[in-house]
Amino acid sequence: DAGITQSPRHKVTETGTPVTLRCHQTENHRYMYWYRQDPGHGLRLIHYSYGVKDTDKGEVSDGYSVSRSKTEDFLLTLESATSSQTSVYFCAISESGSWSGAYGYTFGSGTRLTVV
Amino acid sequence: TQLLEQSPQFLSIQEGENLTVYCNSSSVFSSLQWYRQEPGEGPVLLVTVVTGGEVKKLKRLTFQFGDARKDSSLHITAAQPGDTGLYLCAGGRGYNNNDMRFGAGTRLTVKP
Repeated sequence: DAGITQSPRHKVTETGTPVTLRCHQTENHRYMYWYRQDPGHGLRLIHYSYGVKDTDKGEVSDGYSVSRSKTEDFLLTLESATSSQTSVYFCAISESGSWSGAYGYTFGSGTRLTVV
Repeated sequence: TQLLEQSPQFLSIQEGENLTVYCNSSSVFSSLQWYRQEPGEGPVLLVTVVTGGEVKKLKRLTFQFGDARKDSSLHITAAQPGDTGLYLCAGGRGYNNNDMRFGAGTRLTVKP
């Protein structure tokens, strides 16, 4: 009954190959985000979406692209995976992008990606 | 450099002790959130504070937003093993949540 699911949960891939991670929500929230979490860096925003086909870059977007063709799905693609992209990737959803930040994020359980 | 600095990075205490963790910045935030994250899972929202000087209580947890909206603290009274986890603060600066920045976290271990 989770409102947000990520797939796969774990993936090992080779350097130079493309990889796509999927985030699926059942909450009908407008905002969706992709973060990566690395030791000592906390969570860093990669890309986000504020509606179907509306996306924008975050602070660490190089080497990543996203797509959102339906409200419920937000895809993150590593165009040509590198070892520096080994990380844990989290998807998050939010009801609103209001300035007050009154709406918190709901996170998925993460995808652990290893690039060898 | 981290926009939000959390301290301490690691904290290990005995059950029943009190503790405070801090989240500091030189920037002003429109809101600040605290999350707890357990191994293998995503962060879970604990609280949002939006007004300078605001204090919120959630059972044994007390959250405070600094008067200048640049810092926050989380105080836990009588810690329990179930409080073990990574505590993250996140600050909102812009007109959209796309500008939410996270600290690196405080990893708390409460020993029985």
